[in-house]
Amino acid sequence: AQRVTQPEKLLSVFKGAPVELKCNYSYSGSPELFWYVQYSRQRLQLLLRHISRESIKGFTADLNKGETSFHLKKPFAQEEDSAMYYCALSRSGTASKLTFGTGTRLQVTL
Amino acid sequence: KAGVTQTPRYLIKTRGQQVTLSCSPISGHRSVSWYQQTPGQGLQFLFEYFSETQRNKGNFPGRFSGRQFSNSRSEMNVSTLELGDSALYLCASSTSSGTGGNTIYFGEGSWLTVV
Repeated sequence: AQRVTQPEKLLSVFKGAPVELKCNYSYSGSPELFWYVQYSRQRLQLLLRHISRESIKGFTADLNKGETSFHLKKPFAQEEDSAMYYCALSRSGTASKLTFGTGTRLQVTL
Repeated sequence: KAGVTQTPRYLIKTRGQQVTLSCSPISGHRSVSWYQQTPGQGLQFLFEYFSETQRNKGNFPGRFSGRQFSNSRSEMNVSTLELGDSALYLCASSTSSGTGGNTIYFGEGSWLTVV
């Protein structure tokens, strides 16, 4: 069975500090990995996906198949980054069937 | 372009009743999937419909069912409601259910409270 683990429920950092939101997964095949974000009073939205290898709002994430991780990183946190972040996995070919982690709330303080 | 629209936004039902939730996907999107979000279990996949056919199914009891119409609008139904069905039900749509770069767009959800 596939599983996504986000070990931290809450991550609190100061503005300008680096951010790393951890995500580990277990899956026997070739997964597709995603990060979703939910800002206060907004709907869940895609932040980035591993196949795109892009940087969105300064965030990047690299899929490490050896460590089965897909950590989300940003070198300098901004106040507007405060939100709930979910790591998600899908089996190749079923991109609409996502397995989500429990989420990490990122709190950026001054 | 209008986003994914879910109705009703909030509802309260009594144990044993049934409920129907509706989802209008983004225009042109043929895949609609449903998720249940609870504090205890987090976000869990219910099912996905594509071109009126159920393509994928999660691990929920048969009380949870859904359908998709020819205009891609979807409904989900929960029969014989239990207290544990209280949750936020999210609908999401995308252009297809395939792999490779499809972005899934979520609605704001329907808050169901069972009393």
